[in-house]
Amino acid sequence: AQSVTQLDSHVSVSEGTPVLLRCNYSSSYSPSLFWYVQHPNKGLQLLLKYTSAATLVKGINGFEAEFKKSETSFHLTKPSAHMSDAAEYFCVVIKRGRGDLIFGKGTKLSVKP
Amino acid sequence: DVKVTQSSRYLVKRTGEKVFLECVQDMDHENMFWYRQDPGLGLRLIYFSYDVKMKEKGDIPEGYSVSREKKERFSLILESASTNQTSMYLCASSFRKSYNEQFFGPGTRLTVL
Repeated sequence: AQSVTQLDSHVSVSEGTPVLLRCNYSSSYSPSLFWYVQHPNKGLQLLLKYTSAATLVKGINGFEAEFKKSETSFHLTKPSAHMSDAAEYFCVVIKRGRGDLIFGKGTKLSVKP
Repeated sequence: DVKVTQSSRYLVKRTGEKVFLECVQDMDHENMFWYRQDPGLGLRLIYFSYDVKMKEKGDIPEGYSVSREKKERFSLILESASTNQTSMYLCASSFRKSYNEQFFGPGTRLTVL
């Protein structure tokens, strides 16, 4: 069975400092992994996706994630947080065969001025 | 620009009413999905469809049905709304290949009184 676990329900950083949002996955197959972001009262937007082409994936708004098979991790990072990054972030894996998405419980990112 | 639209952003209904939530995509996607989002639970799949007239149960189909008469439109039906169906409902679509990301609508926040 496939699953993702987001290790922090809430992360708080100061503006200009690095962001790290942690995600571990479980999969019998080589997984397709995504990070989505949801700003308050908005729909979900794709930040980046991993589909086995390259282990370091760059996304929108300066975010990137590294796929580490040995650690079964897919952590999301950004070198310098901006106030507009405050949102909820979801780590997601595609359910093989069925094609729907399995979502983590989400990590709420707060950015302090 | 990719577009998934949902018929209402906010909806208030009474217990026992029949409720229709509509979703339309303009990307010629084969796959369409309905999720509900609840705090602390992330997103959970209700129903999905791979093609016109096709429907498959997701993880929490009880109390819901769906209709897909046209490729671009996927409707979620609550036959007899109950208070435990108060939630955010999100529609998504994707191309047929299972590793493709899904595109989400803005969501419908349904309150059942």
